[in-house]
Amino acid sequence: IAGITQAPTSQILAAGRRMTLRCTQDMRHNAMYWYRQDLGLGLRLIHYSNTAGTTGKGEVPDGYSVSRANTDDFPLTLASAVPSQTSVYFCASSDKRQGADTQYFGPGTRLTVL
Amino acid sequence: GQNIDQPTEMTATEGAIVQINCTYQTSGFNGLFWYQQHAGEAPTFLSYNVLDGLEEKGRFSSFLSRSKGYSYLLLKELQMKDSASYLCAVTDSNYQLIWGAGTKLIIKP
Repeated sequence: IAGITQAPTSQILAAGRRMTLRCTQDMRHNAMYWYRQDLGLGLRLIHYSNTAGTTGKGEVPDGYSVSRANTDDFPLTLASAVPSQTSVYFCASSDKRQGADTQYFGPGTRLTVL
Repeated sequence: GQNIDQPTEMTATEGAIVQINCTYQTSGFNGLFWYQQHAGEAPTFLSYNVLDGLEEKGRFSSFLSRSKGYSYLLLKELQMKDSASYLCAVTDSNYQLIWGAGTKLIIKP
């Protein structure tokens, strides 16, 4: 692995179903993020984690939960999917110990909720 | 509230120069990023400015004026592969990134 991986690449999901999007990084970055990207709205932060064992809410956290059991993994769970959660989801990571805190993105998961 | 403004779409000709502007109003400022995003792909880092002035990196340059809440990305010698969206993002006082909606750049031969 080099960088950040996300799985699945795409998914079609029935409303009301539970879904976990997976994200793994191998850069030993301490911070990780989940965004959703919708046409015309740009990237919106769902949840973040500044270090393993801690998480925080972003701009649009409702309907989503995260966990950060270790440095590498940051799964995003939709407990009961709704059509408004149809979006492209990007996971990102950064090394907050360095000044610029540049975020590096995974390839994304395209989720459709019907 | 916090706000990042960029033009929605711009068109330019191959070989030419284009300037993409970004204005911001945020609670505090700890740096400004430019990212490139090709259709269907993830954003990739282009540049970072934290001090006023111009940062040059090959065909791409980024300028910042903190007093004016303004930045631009300058792309020279445009190539067809530069067709993409360009995202402006500002780190606020809580060190969270605030993202603009992006500028879709269309390059014509």
